[in-house]
Order: sequence, then C-alpha cells, then structure tokens
Amino acid sequence: KNEVEQSPQNLTAQEGEFITINCSYSVGISALHWLQQHPGGGIVSLFMLSSGKKKHGRLIATINIQEKHSSLHITASHPRDSAVYICAVWGGSQGNLIFGKGTKLSVKP
Amino acid sequence: SAVISQKPSRDICQRGTSLTIQCQVDSQVTMMFWYRQQPGQSLTLIATANQGSEATYESGFVIDKFPISRPNLTFSTLTVSNMSPEDSSIYLCSATDYTEAFFGQGTRLTVV
Repeated sequence: KNEVEQSPQNLTAQEGEFITINCSYSVGISALHWLQQHPGGGIVSLFMLSSGKKKHGRLIATINIQEKHSSLHITASHPRDSAVYICAVWGGSQGNLIFGKGTKLSVKP
Repeated sequence: SAVISQKPSRDICQRGTSLTIQCQVDSQVTMMFWYRQQPGQSLTLIATANQGSEATYESGFVIDKFPISRPNLTFSTLTVSNMSPEDSSIYLCSATDYTEAFFGQGTRLTVV
C-alpha cells in the first residue's frame, strides 16, 4: 500500500466548476504539501499545512490530522489550472518528502 | 523563503553518456534532496546530498550510477552516469530548512 494516496488520478472539469482533490496518508507527519506540476515538469509549491485550512486566491487546502486526510479545492476553475496536483508529506527515513502519484486535472473551456 | 535554480531544464542525451544537473539555492538550507520521477510514477527519493561528505542513497540507487556532490550549503549536483533509455525521467532538486520545502524547476531527461 502506498503511504500517500491521491484521488482521483485523472479529473476533467468544465471551466467554472468547483474541484476537489483528495489525499490520504498512512505515516505520521509534521506537515503536508500541495504542489502543482506543469507539463514541462516544473514544480511549484502551493501550500504547506500542519493543521486547519489555508486559502490562496481560488485555491483552498484543508487537513484533518486525526483522519490523516487532506483536500485541495479549486473554486471557479479555469483552463490555466490544468496541471498535475501532487500531495506530499514529511515522513521519509531521511527527513525527505513522500509524494503521491498526482492528480492530472484538465479544465475545458 | 528560498529560491532554487535547477539546470538544465531539459536535455536529450545519447545512451552511454553522462549528464550533470546543477541545483543552486539562493540562501543556506539545512538539507538538499534529489528525486526522480519516472513516467507515470510518483517522485522517489534518490539520495540526500550531504555537505562535504558522501550522499545518503535510498535503496535501489548507487553512487556509481548517481554521483552527487554538495560542496557547500547552497549548491549540489547530480550526475546520471552511463545513461540508458530507462533513465529517461524528471529529476528534481529540493531543499528544506525544516520549516518549509523548496523545489527546483525539474530536469526532464530523455535518453535516446
């Protein structure tokens, strides 16, 4: 079983739709990251969460430490939101991040 | 927060050759990591780059294939040696000061 599971793997939405991506993890963590990976492979950090909720523009991230679950929400989605969204947690044996496989989001105009 | 410059952003290489990827951080960071993302897979740790000493490799990765240097707190290199098509992946440099994680732009490597 993977230590970080994301769902769905692929998601297609119409412009303007509300989007939710989920992340569940099985290791004890101090913080969780949501990342955005562009088609060229470049990665941008969106959020780092250790509790509660964070909001940045149209993006909202929540985490429930007890349930070991986090969600990333995108409101009023736009084609430029099309990317792979990756959840990652601190939990590796070398103090490294453990990554989920990512959710590929495609937003159609 | 820190900014990481990773070079090159992409390359196409001949099998049997080697490629060195550079990672420059604009401030001192505690730890630097190198990850690999094979097609359709998640990012996986190759090794932790240790300043002034040998890198700490994850199981399945060896120094002869992926030599890593970290001469100071802001710079590291990863070399992919004697490349084969199976090495075609995205390679990512990451750093942390224990409060936040920072990421390079990634290097998309294609071996032909």
